[in-house]
Amino acid sequence: DAGVTQSPTHLIKTRGQQVTLRCSPKSGHDTVSWYQQALGQGPQFIFQYYEEEERQRGNFPDRFSGHQFPNYSSELNVNALLLGDSALYLCASSGNIVPSYEQYFGPGTRLTVT
Amino acid sequence: AQTVTQSQPEMSVQEAETVTLSCTYDTSESDYYLFWYKQPPSRQMILVIRQEAYKQQNATENRFSVNFQKAAKSFSLKISDSQLGDAAMYFCAYRSPSSGGSYIPTFGRGTSLIVHP
Repeated sequence: DAGVTQSPTHLIKTRGQQVTLRCSPKSGHDTVSWYQQALGQGPQFIFQYYEEEERQRGNFPDRFSGHQFPNYSSELNVNALLLGDSALYLCASSGNIVPSYEQYFGPGTRLTVT
Repeated sequence: AQTVTQSQPEMSVQEAETVTLSCTYDTSESDYYLFWYKQPPSRQMILVIRQEAYKQQNATENRFSVNFQKAAKSFSLKISDSQLGDAAMYFCAYRSPSSGGSYIPTFGRGTSLIVHP
């Protein structure tokens, strides 16, 4: 059973560019959440997708957008990259398993903005 | 909004000894979930242990156990018989039973655990 997968592993972009990160959820999971983890910090919630719609959003600007496909995979898009967007981007998937709805994390994509 | 505080940026332990990582949280809710996640240098975060607030019994998973003090809003993680593979960042997380159906955890800033051979 494949866990959560993310691509690419590493990415280097220049300020002002746009980037797309991809995530495939764990088999049987229908919900995908994205987090930004700056160096030395805990993950910060960006947004969550369920049934191809954004269900909840954290305190991130509109430059951060996403999409969920019918197969539950998801993309995170960041426009007009800033140096401060350099971070590890984590994807987590979950399913409707009562009671705790645990999230399973992927290995992350390390984004460096120069 | 709930907050999670991990006051120990770094802890160290000798192999085979016991270490305790601290976590406090702030909430006005009576029912919630608490988690400890481990993030090794390879980066993939994995769930170590989970505690439901309505359960008085402290959760245990093999060498990992928690000391859950609901009134004090404290949730510490004890690692017994520490192993080199326990070296990682440990994150404490809080989650409401229902956050608009989205179940989003709030994470602390993490504690880096160093295990000395």
